[in-house]
Order: sequence, then C-alpha cells, then structure tokens
Amino acid sequence: DAGVIQSPRHEVTEMGQEVTLRCKPISGHNSLFWYRQTMMRGLELLIYFNNNVPIDDSGMPEDRFSAKMPNASFSTLKIQPSEPRDSAVYFCASSFTNRKNTEAFFGQGTRLTVV
Amino acid sequence: AQSVTQLGSHVSVSEGALVLLRCNYSSSVPPYLFWYVQYPNQGLQLLLKYTSAATLVKGINGFEAEFKKSETSFHLTKPSAHMSDAAEYFCAVSPGSSNTGKLIFGQGTTLQVKP
Repeated sequence: DAGVIQSPRHEVTEMGQEVTLRCKPISGHNSLFWYRQTMMRGLELLIYFNNNVPIDDSGMPEDRFSAKMPNASFSTLKIQPSEPRDSAVYFCASSFTNRKNTEAFFGQGTRLTVV
Repeated sequence: AQSVTQLGSHVSVSEGALVLLRCNYSSSVPPYLFWYVQYPNQGLQLLLKYTSAATLVKGINGFEAEFKKSETSFHLTKPSAHMSDAAEYFCAVSPGSSNTGKLIFGQGTTLQVKP
C-alpha cells in the first residue's frame, strides 16, 4: 500500500485566498484524522471522521475551517479565507478502528504558508 | 481529561550511549499509549504502542518502552544511540476508554545524537 497520501506537499498562498488540502487514506481504513502542527501549539487534532461521518470537530479553530469526507477514499480540509496564522504543517492520518490494536498512519503532511 | 507530558524538549546523547526519553500520562481509565518518531520534513511513524498487554513494549529500530502504572510513566529507551536516531519523538495517548486511533500528543522531544 502507498500509505496515506496528501497533496499538495507545499502550498504558499496569499492572505484571504481559499486553500484546499487533500488526503487519500489507506484503503480499508475506516477512520480519518486531520492534525495541525505548529511550533507554538504542537500537534493538535482538528477533526476526526469515522465511516465518512465527522465524529469530533471540536478542534477546528473557527468557521473559516471546514472538512469533508465524501467517500472512504478521499477527504479535504478547506480554509476560507486563509490568514497568516494558519501557516502550519497539516497532517492527515488514517486507521482501522479495531479496539486495542488500532494505530494511526500518517501522511507526509502539507506545509502551508500564508503570506 | 487524558494528557501526556514529555519531560525535556531537547535531549542530547553521544553515539552509542543510552537513550531515555520521558513521558508521563494522566488518565482516569487504563490508557492506550504510543510513541511516534518524526524525521525532518516527514510524517509521523509509529515506534511502539501499549494496549494493556505486556508492560514492556518492544518497537522498531531497537526502541522499547515500559508502562509503569505506579509512576504513570511510559518512558522510551534504546540501549545504544545511532546517528540515524536523531529526530523528534512524540508520546501520545488515545483519549477515552477505547483505542479509536484519535491521539493527544505531548509537546515532543528533539533527540540530538553527537558523534
């Protein structure tokens, strides 16, 4: 398996523009997670899907952020409008929830810079 | 609420020396605990996980961790450091009473290995 695939790897955009980050989870996994990594706040969970349904979006910073999972093989994280403070590395992870043996596999991340 | 605390944001060891990275957890239920490694500009890779089986958990690359309930600790060790071990290490807990793949991370510890 190719692992969790994220695109783009790098994104530079101007403040106010819409940004869309994409994620393809590992085939067969039923849970998907979006994390954000910054120097100040470390790794934070933004949103968690199970069977394509958002289960916990309490980490989404504000209404400018939205995430969708239209099917089991694709998810997007959208920021509209983007702001400089959104600059961070965004990771997507997926897992097959199987109680004790569940483990999350991470993508390579998207480094977002908002100027 | 469950959480993890990593003691020491930076650890420096000589090649061949013992590696000890500290992690303490807070949990009102038996925790699921993980150690991940992140190499520069890469995603996170699972080193090992504790899921209430053996208290001494062996992982990849010669790392192991011991779950100590009395000390609420899950420290990561490796007998002999290699240059290739230089990376950032994250301790994480799966919140709640089941292992869903959702993770709460510590702030991370950067391991430097000196020749």
